[in-house]
Amino acid sequence: AQSVTQPDIHITVSEGASLELRCNYSYGATPYLFWYVQSPGQGLQLLLKYFSGDTLVQGIKGFEAEFKRSQSSFNLRKPSVHWSDAAEYFCAVGASPGTASKLTFGTGTRLQVTL
Amino acid sequence: GAGVSQTPSNKVTEKGKYVELRCDPISGHTALYWYRQSLGQGPEFLIYFQGTGAADDSGLPNDRFFAVRPEGSVSTLKIQRTERGDSAVYLCASRGTGTAFGYTFGSGTRLTVV
Repeated sequence: AQSVTQPDIHITVSEGASLELRCNYSYGATPYLFWYVQSPGQGLQLLLKYFSGDTLVQGIKGFEAEFKRSQSSFNLRKPSVHWSDAAEYFCAVGASPGTASKLTFGTGTRLQVTL
Repeated sequence: GAGVSQTPSNKVTEKGKYVELRCDPISGHTALYWYRQSLGQGPEFLIYFQGTGAADDSGLPNDRFFAVRPEGSVSTLKIQRTERGDSAVYLCASRGTGTAFGYTFGSGTRLTVV
């Protein structure tokens, strides 16, 4: 069965500081990996996704993520955090893009940004 | 439409009542998903449709939950005899075919059972 672990429930960073949110997955085949962001009372917005190719993926809002197969990880990074980045971040794993199977989500990491 | 539309955005119902939640996916998207998100948790899979048929309903918690997609577009999630534990945000997502497409989520319906 597929699963996602986000070890950090809550992270606080200062505005302008760098950010790394951790994600570890368990999946029996080549995973299709996602990061979503959710602001309070809002739906999920896709930041980036990865299936194949360059293991460093660029997304929207200045975010990037790196796929490391040997560590079963897909950590999200941003060099300089803005106050507007405060939100809940979810990592998810699914089957290959050619199939329409379900996504399995982690429990999320809440990011707080201090000014 | 341009995005995934869910109605109502908020629903308050009394314990024991029946509710219907509607999802209008992106036009042409063949796959449609329902998720439930409880407070402080990640979205949990309920069911997904490929066209009109339920391809995977393994996440439905019990037989009080049912979903339909009769014409392969709009879907309705139906909950009978609601319980307070059903209170959550119900999210819908749709996905097109091909490797370029990801999963697009609606804003959700917040269901409160009192």
